Amino acid sequence: KQEVTQIPAALSVPEGENLVLNCSFTDSAIYNLQWFRQDPGKGLTSLLLIQSSQREQTSGRLNASLDKSSGRSTLYIAASQPGDSATYLCAVENSGYALNFGKGTSLLVTP
Amino acid sequence: DADVTQTPRNRITKTGKRIMLECSQTKGHDRMYWYRQDPGLGLRLIYYSFDVKDINKGEISDGYSVSRQAQAKFSLSLESAIPNQTALYFCATSESGQAQETQYFGPGTRLLVL
Repeated sequence: KQEVTQIPAALSVPEGENLVLNCSFTDSAIYNLQWFRQDPGKGLTSLLLIQSSQREQTSGRLNASLDKSSGRSTLYIAASQPGDSATYLCAVENSGYALNFGKGTSLLVTP
Repeated sequence: DADVTQTPRNRITKTGKRIMLECSQTKGHDRMYWYRQDPGLGLRLIYYSFDVKDINKGEISDGYSVSRQAQAKFSLSLESAIPNQTALYFCATSESGQAQETQYFGPGTRLLVL
């Protein structure tokens, strides 16, 4: 069974800092790896999706990398803003339908 | 309007009651999913449906049932609610099983079973 671990569980940084969120997974036979953002009362929003054949994806200030052989992914957030405060979830898709989620990293960016 | 909607958004019920959570989508996707989220446990898949006639159990289906009434509607029922079913429930949709496709989530239903 795929196990997905996210470190750290919580993070507090001052505005403007660059930061890295980590995700590791145990089974490297993946379809893709996805990063979601969860805001209270608003469900999950997909941020980045990296297919198994890709090494990284970028969207604005976000960059996600994937090292399938080592079972690791990182989400890099540049120049953090208070609006980035949310819970960030890593999810791995193994079988074409089932997402296996980590427990998330709760991020607080202080002004 | 939101692409994936869930009703109700919040529900309090008592042990032993039957309740239904509803999900509707306007994205035209064939695939729909129900997840539950518990503090400290992440999201776990309850049921999924690839089309109206195809329904499958997920990781934690015991105590739940589903109905796919139409392509756009997927309901989750708790036949006899128990306190450990207190959780945040999410519906999601996706277009197909391609590796480049993500899932789109509703806003969630917060359920409290007393």
